[in-house]
Amino acid sequence: ETGVTQTPRHLVMGMTNKKSLKCEQHLGHNAMYWYKQSAKKPLELMFVYNFKEQTENNSVPSRFSPECPNSSHLFLHLHTLQPEDSALYLCASSQDRGGEGTEAFFGQGTRLTVV
Amino acid sequence: KQEVTQIPAALSVPEGENLVLNCSFTDSAIYNLQWFRQDPGKGLTSLLLIQSSQREQTSGRLNASLDKSSGRSTLYIAASQPGDSATYLCAVSLGVLPNSGNTPLVFGKGTRLSVIA
Repeated sequence: ETGVTQTPRHLVMGMTNKKSLKCEQHLGHNAMYWYKQSAKKPLELMFVYNFKEQTENNSVPSRFSPECPNSSHLFLHLHTLQPEDSALYLCASSQDRGGEGTEAFFGQGTRLTVV
Repeated sequence: KQEVTQIPAALSVPEGENLVLNCSFTDSAIYNLQWFRQDPGKGLTSLLLIQSSQREQTSGRLNASLDKSSGRSTLYIAASQPGDSATYLCAVSLGVLPNSGNTPLVFGKGTRLSVIA
């Protein structure tokens, strides 16, 4: 069982669809993150959750809606997306100890294509 | 705003060569620096984590150094193998977010490495 698991691995959706990405971490970490990786651009931070509370929203459009029901699970709800939202969406977790930098672990990502 | 630059963008070397990948960042006030490997279409695998108080870390054939004051890090790969072919990403922590203690990462665009047999 890998440390951070994302499902689905691939997703194709129309612009009017609603879908959700799921992330689960088995590492006992207290922080979870969503990152977006577009072609020819660096990974961009989208959302940060600490102990189920959202602590950062990096100016992400409202068509992306995160949900963190507990410290092990993180969702990204998608609705009315645009073709430019097609990208690799990566989930990460870490054990953040307030002032002590710790190692981040990433899932395999969900390759999203919006048609 | 923290920016991370990786040079070169792509690199091709024959098997067995030693090589160095470079990473620079604009704000030296970092908490840590992490090197990752990414295979095509896959997620990120953590290679090395260097805390801001450290100068280097080693794991097998990999050695990463950190010069925080000059905003630079290098990843040294010894005796390269075809299996080392991947994109290597450098990331620095933004520091501790107020009220949360989270340390999100800022990434470079990566160096795409090809090791030719």
